[in-house]
Amino acid sequence: RKEVEQDPGPFNVPEGATVAFNCTYSNSASQSFFWYRQDCRKEPKLLMSVYSSGNEDGRFTAQLNRASQYISLLIRDSKLSDSATYLCVVTPGTYKYIFGTGTRLKVLA
Amino acid sequence: EAQVTQNPRYLITVTGKKLTVTCSQNMNHEYMSWYRQDPGLGLRQIYYSMNVEVTDKGDVPEGYKVSRKEKRNFPLILESPSPNQTSLYFCASSSTNSNQPQHFGDGTRLSIL
Repeated sequence: RKEVEQDPGPFNVPEGATVAFNCTYSNSASQSFFWYRQDCRKEPKLLMSVYSSGNEDGRFTAQLNRASQYISLLIRDSKLSDSATYLCVVTPGTYKYIFGTGTRLKVLA
Repeated sequence: EAQVTQNPRYLITVTGKKLTVTCSQNMNHEYMSWYRQDPGLGLRQIYYSMNVEVTDKGDVPEGYKVSRKEKRNFPLILESPSPNQTSLYFCASSSTNSNQPQHFGDGTRLSIL
């Protein structure tokens, strides 16, 4: 089993739709969690950190479920500019970052 | 402007010819790391450094070397490159340890013929 797993997609959604991605992780001792956005082979950019109580940043909401070992990202009112690959990142140890392979999102006009 | 700078951005070279990819950050970050990204495999950590003169192997260190003589620089060295090291490489940095998000460089696309 991979340490971090994501559905590769693509998720094709119309503009204005709400879409959610999950990311499961295998190491229950994982400490920190992040969502990154990556556009077509460019550098990953931090979208948001994921906090235990859940957190929101505009149209984006991130949640952590430690019992079931997954994190989620919800995007409301999708824009064309949200089309990208979304990477989840989990830190199973103090100095290690494990990346998921990413979920592709295409927002259609 | 806070940034991580990698050079070169693109390189085509031949098997066995030693090369170095430089990485520099201007944020006074302690932690730096190198990744390679391959289709279907995602980003995999090659080496990381917790501070000056302190480095450790990531998940795919074979065929690579690193050094951390200064806080701002973390070069990636391929002593004898092989075609299976053709990939997209990213350098990243963060303050302290992996509880903090990382900032990435623009990437280096390396082709080994």
